[in-house]
Amino acid sequence: AQKVTQAQTEISVVEKEDVTLDCVYETRDTTYYLFWYKQPPSGELVFLIRRNSFDEQNEISGRYSWNFQKSTSSFNFTITASQVVDSAVYFCALSESPGGGTSYGKLTFGQGTILTVHP
Amino acid sequence: DTGVSQNPRHKITKRGQNVTFRCDPISEHNRLYWYRQTLGQGPEFLTYFQNEAQLEKSRLLSDRFSAERPKGSFSTLEIQRTEQGDSAMYLCASRLAGGQETQYFGPGTRLLVL
Repeated sequence: AQKVTQAQTEISVVEKEDVTLDCVYETRDTTYYLFWYKQPPSGELVFLIRRNSFDEQNEISGRYSWNFQKSTSSFNFTITASQVVDSAVYFCALSESPGGGTSYGKLTFGQGTILTVHP
Repeated sequence: DTGVSQNPRHKITKRGQNVTFRCDPISEHNRLYWYRQTLGQGPEFLTYFQNEAQLEKSRLLSDRFSAERPKGSFSTLEIQRTEQGDSAMYLCASRLAGGQETQYFGPGTRLLVL
């Protein structure tokens, strides 16, 4: 069975600090996809990034960066120079490859990390 | 390009009543998912449609829950004889066909059963 663990329940930082959100996953599949979503107080899940299991290149998008390490089954997310608008719940998620068998790409989510950025 | 929409956004009902939620996916997306999210938890998968066919259901989807997607467009999720434990946010997501496509979520319907 798939499992995603976000060990940090809550993180509180002051604006302009860097912050890293941890994500560890378990799967028996060799092909899978990892995601990060942001859930602001409004409740809607906003897609941030997708990474497939064959692509271990780290990615940077503005103040956001992601570190995927297959050897440790981790997909960590770093926000550089955090801002108050970054305050939200962040979810890491895992899906099997939807291409084969009975897998249809459903997402397994972690419990989320509540990030609060203080001015 | 409009996103996924869900109606109603909020629903308060009394225990024992039936409720129905609607999801309108992004127009060209033929894959549709329902999830449930309780307070302090991540979303949990409920069911999946490919066009009009319901291809996967979670064990969370008890007999009181039914979902449809007539004509492969919008989808409805009905809960019969609601219980207080059904109180949650119900999220709908859609995606394009293909192996690597991302699921995009609607704003959710927040249900409170009194």
